[in-house]
Amino acid sequence: SQKIEQNSEALNIQEGKTATLTCNYTNYSPAYLQWYRQDPGRGPVFLLLIRENEKEKRKERLKVTFDTTLKQSLFHITASQPADSATYLCALDMKGYQKVTFGTGTKLQVIP
Amino acid sequence: EAGVAQSPRYKIIEKRQSVAFWCNPISGHATLYWYQQILGQGPKLLIQFQNNGVVDDSQLPKDRFSAERLKGVDSTLKIQPAKLEDSAVYLCASSLGGKNTEAFFGQGTRLTVV
Repeated sequence: SQKIEQNSEALNIQEGKTATLTCNYTNYSPAYLQWYRQDPGRGPVFLLLIRENEKEKRKERLKVTFDTTLKQSLFHITASQPADSATYLCALDMKGYQKVTFGTGTKLQVIP
Repeated sequence: EAGVAQSPRYKIIEKRQSVAFWCNPISGHATLYWYQQILGQGPKLLIQFQNNGVVDDSQLPKDRFSAERLKGVDSTLKIQPAKLEDSAVYLCASSLGGKNTEAFFGQGTRLTVV
């Protein structure tokens, strides 16, 4: 069956360190993978999209990698700040379809 | 640019009652999604529209849930009759469609069924 797995346990890191979140998937052949941020009581907000033919994407302090052989994406936040505390969701499509499926999300807590 | 508008923000109903949610997507966005998000889980796609046609409704419980997209713009999602397990946040999102798949979400409607 198809699965998108993210660490269900919260990730706690010290301010200034790099946070690394993982998204693993099985039985998908995505054309792209997206990362969203969700704050309590709010809808998800789009952060980055990486396509299957891209290995890495950067935006300011954010970096995403995509390994279609390992079926894994890593999401990095460098020089993390308390304001980065939120739940981070990965989402991917099924090639040939426009349907986007979300993972369960990982809660990040950046400690001052 | 105005974002995705949803109403109501909160709703409490008794089981077996009916409820409707409304969504106004970003102007010009061809694709509209309804997601259900249960506490502690990721959003689950219920139905996806491309203009006013349904692209995917494979996870919509069609015996009790229905949705329509009026003239390819606004959309309503209805539950009738509601069950306790329908308690969740219902999120509406829209995107330009095609390869521009970045989705913009509304704030959601928090439904509590008692």
